[in-house]
Amino acid sequence: EAGVAQSPRYKIIEKRQSVAFWCNPISGHATLYWYQQILGQGPKLLIQFQNNGVVDDSQLPKDRFSAERLKGVDSTLKIQPAKLEDSAVYLCASSLERTTGELFFGEGSRLTVL
Amino acid sequence: AQSVSQHNHHVILSEAASLELGCNYSYGGTVNLFWYVQYPGQHLQLLLKYFSGDPLVKGIKGFEAEFIKSKFSFNLRKPSVQWSDTAEYFCAVGSAAGNKLTFGGGTRVLVKP
Repeated sequence: EAGVAQSPRYKIIEKRQSVAFWCNPISGHATLYWYQQILGQGPKLLIQFQNNGVVDDSQLPKDRFSAERLKGVDSTLKIQPAKLEDSAVYLCASSLERTTGELFFGEGSRLTVL
Repeated sequence: AQSVSQHNHHVILSEAASLELGCNYSYGGTVNLFWYVQYPGQHLQLLLKYFSGDPLVKGIKGFEAEFIKSKFSFNLRKPSVQWSDTAEYFCAVGSAAGNKLTFGGGTRVLVKP
């Protein structure tokens, strides 16, 4: 079974530039998550989708971050404009249902903002 | 709001030593509890989980964890570690109503050969 795919793996940009990350979840997984993991910290949930609807985006900085999940499958997370403090690994995860509890993570996209 | 606290940021031990990582959580309702592991260069993966029933749960690679409801704790243990257990370990809590997970800050474990 293919895992969660993310791209790009690494991205370096200057502050105030924009960046987009892409995620393809495991086939059939209805729930998709984006987490932000800053160096030395645990992952922090940014947004959770159930199919193509947003379940929770309470911790998403909406003035600069946006995310969408097209047709309930792939998802894109965008940052515009980026700040230095956005340097982190952006993790995408998916799960079969909301209540199973087991998340399957991708390898992450490491963002460095200079 | 949920919160998770992991007691140690770094642990260094020798092969065959016993390992115990502490995890405490704060949440007012029924919880599901997890330990995830991230080996060097790999993605996060599930080590074990507790939903209900026997509070002592066993996971992969000889790990186990005990849920103590009165202490809001879910500590991870392994009687005898191997060099391959070098990794970062994350405790996570989810509400029983849905699987939004809140993660602790992680504990980096280094096992010396």
